[in-house]
Amino acid sequence: QVQLQESGPGLVKSSQTLSLTCSVSGGSIRSGDYYWTWIRQPPGRGLEWIGYIFYSGSTYYNPSLKSRLTISIDTSRSQFSLKLSSVTVADTAVYRCARLLAFCGGECGYFQYWGQGALVTVSS
Amino acid sequence: SLVLTQTPSVSVAPGKTASLTCGGDNIGSKSVHWYQHKPGQAPLLVIYYNSDRPSGIPDRISGSKSGNTATLTISRIEAGDEADYYCQVWDYNADIVIFGGGTKLTVL
Repeated sequence: QVQLQESGPGLVKSSQTLSLTCSVSGGSIRSGDYYWTWIRQPPGRGLEWIGYIFYSGSTYYNPSLKSRLTISIDTSRSQFSLKLSSVTVADTAVYRCARLLAFCGGECGYFQYWGQGALVTVSS
Repeated sequence: SLVLTQTPSVSVAPGKTASLTCGGDNIGSKSVHWYQHKPGQAPLLVIYYNSDRPSGIPDRISGSKSGNTATLTISRIEAGDEADYYCQVWDYNADIVIFGGGTKLTVL
């Protein structure tokens, strides 16, 4: 069973950089079938796709966050990470990592496995 | 870019049927996926490829799509169905994932 687990500071000061790591177990992060994804949910609001990374290191970002965002991957540790710079209180959210099935011989594009989520609060 | 529109809230009595819709330009050409999200839990995939159910999802939950509107139907509503439901599309040409705004399903 694939498991994803987020880790990182739960409190970040405004203007600083939010950093989170997702640890993957039960499946290979080196698989060419998946995009490793970050998704967030601000309090009382819906899900927002942040971006995803392929095992090769290719990244694709939400245009609204692209200028502040870096997603990286460490296949040797079976982890991928998120860095969001210059945060404001609007970046307060539950951040989740998830696995997107991207290559399946047809049109794929859904998330079967998710982490439990990490609440990150940005203080002013 | 593609925007997915969902009704913010739906209320249904136990035993009845709930129909949750997800509309968007050009989703007729894309696969729509649905998630059930309960507080404090990870979202759960309940429908993929418009109408397929993952193993373990009861057949009370079904999906369909007609034109630019996808529908998640939950029949014989139970208290445990109360949750937020999100539709999602992957625009693989633009490498963008889009979520609908979500529908809060309340069981009366």
